[in-house]
Amino acid sequence: IAGITQAPTSQILAAGRRMTLRCTQDMRHNAMYWYRQDLGLGLRLIHYSNTAGTTGKGEVPDGYSVSRANTDDFPLTLASAVPSQTSVYFCASSEGTSGGTDTQYFGPGTRLTVL
Amino acid sequence: GQNIDQPTEMTATEGAIVQINCTYQTSGFNGLFWYQQHAGEAPTFLSYNVLDGLEEKGRFSSFLSRSKGYSYLLLKELQMKDSASYLCAVRDSNYQLIWGAGTKLIIKP
Repeated sequence: IAGITQAPTSQILAAGRRMTLRCTQDMRHNAMYWYRQDLGLGLRLIHYSNTAGTTGKGEVPDGYSVSRANTDDFPLTLASAVPSQTSVYFCASSEGTSGGTDTQYFGPGTRLTVL
Repeated sequence: GQNIDQPTEMTATEGAIVQINCTYQTSGFNGLFWYQQHAGEAPTFLSYNVLDGLEEKGRFSSFLSRSKGYSYLLLKELQMKDSASYLCAVRDSNYQLIWGAGTKLIIKP
């Protein structure tokens, strides 16, 4: 593995179903993020984690949950999917340093369609 | 509220120069980022500005004026592979990135 991987690449899901999007990074980054990207809108932060064992809510957290049991993995769960959650989901990570660039690096994305 | 504005779409000719503007109003400022995103792919980091002035990286340069809440990305010697969306993002006082909707750049031969 090099960088960030996400699974699945794409998924079609029936409304009301539970779904977990997986994200794994091998850069030993402290911070990880989940964004959604919708046409005509900027990336919007769903949840983030500054370090293993901690998580925080972003701009659009409702309907989503996350966990950060270890440094490498940051799964995103939709407990009961709704059509408005149809989007492209990107996971990202950064070193998590308070100063400096702290550039975020993105995974390839998961395209989710909720019918 | 927090706001990042960029043009929705721009068209330029191969070999030419194009400037993509970004204006922002955010609660605090801890740096401005430019990312490139090809269709169907992930955003990739291009540049970072935290102090006023111009940062140059090969064919790409980025400028920042904090007093004006303004940045631009300058792309020189345009190539067809530069056709992509360019995303402006500002890190706010909570150290979170606030993203613009992106500028789709179309390069014509």
